[in-house]
Amino acid sequence: AQKVTQAQTEISVVEKEDVTLDCVYETRDTTYYLFWYKQPPSGELVFLIRRNSFDEQNEISGRYSWNFQKSTSSFNFTITASQVVDSAVYFCALRLPQTGANNLFFGTGTRLTVIP
Amino acid sequence: DTAVSQTPKYLVTQMGNDKSIKCEQNLGHDTMYWYKQDSKKFLKIMFSYNNKELIINETVPNRFSPKSPDKAHLNLHINSLELGDSAVYFCASSQAGTITTGELFFGEGSRLTVL
Repeated sequence: AQKVTQAQTEISVVEKEDVTLDCVYETRDTTYYLFWYKQPPSGELVFLIRRNSFDEQNEISGRYSWNFQKSTSSFNFTITASQVVDSAVYFCALRLPQTGANNLFFGTGTRLTVIP
Repeated sequence: DTAVSQTPKYLVTQMGNDKSIKCEQNLGHDTMYWYKQDSKKFLKIMFSYNNKELIINETVPNRFSPKSPDKAHLNLHINSLELGDSAVYFCASSQAGTITTGELFFGEGSRLTVL
């Protein structure tokens, strides 16, 4: 069975601090896809990144970076120099490429509060 | 233009009523979904439609019924509403078929409150 664990329920940081959101996944499949979504206070779900299981290269996008490690089944998300606008609930998700289906297994989310 | 749009954004109703939430996507995707987010922010898939055929139907009450008139629309009908149906319902779409890695694009959510 597949599962996504985000052990950090809530995190608070002071503006300009760096923060890492943890994500650990479980699957027996060798091919899978990992995602991060952001849900700001306004409520919408915003896609941030997708990573394929066969591509362990880490990615940086501005202040955001992602560390994918298959050896530990982790896909952690780091925000550098956090800003108040980063305050949101962040979801990690796992998807398996099942024919005819298209499903996404979400973690329970981490609520990040950036204090000015 | 909004890629995935849902209406209404807020819905307050009494127990026992029947209500619908509409969803439309203009991305040309062929798969659409309904997710339910509870008060603890947990997201759970309810339905998925691919080319007008139901391909995922999780163990949700049969009071919930998705209806897709075409691949750009997936509406959610709820009969005999109960208190426990109060939640935020998200519509989403993605491209399936050979492109199975497609991320989901979500609507803004519809907050349903049952009194």
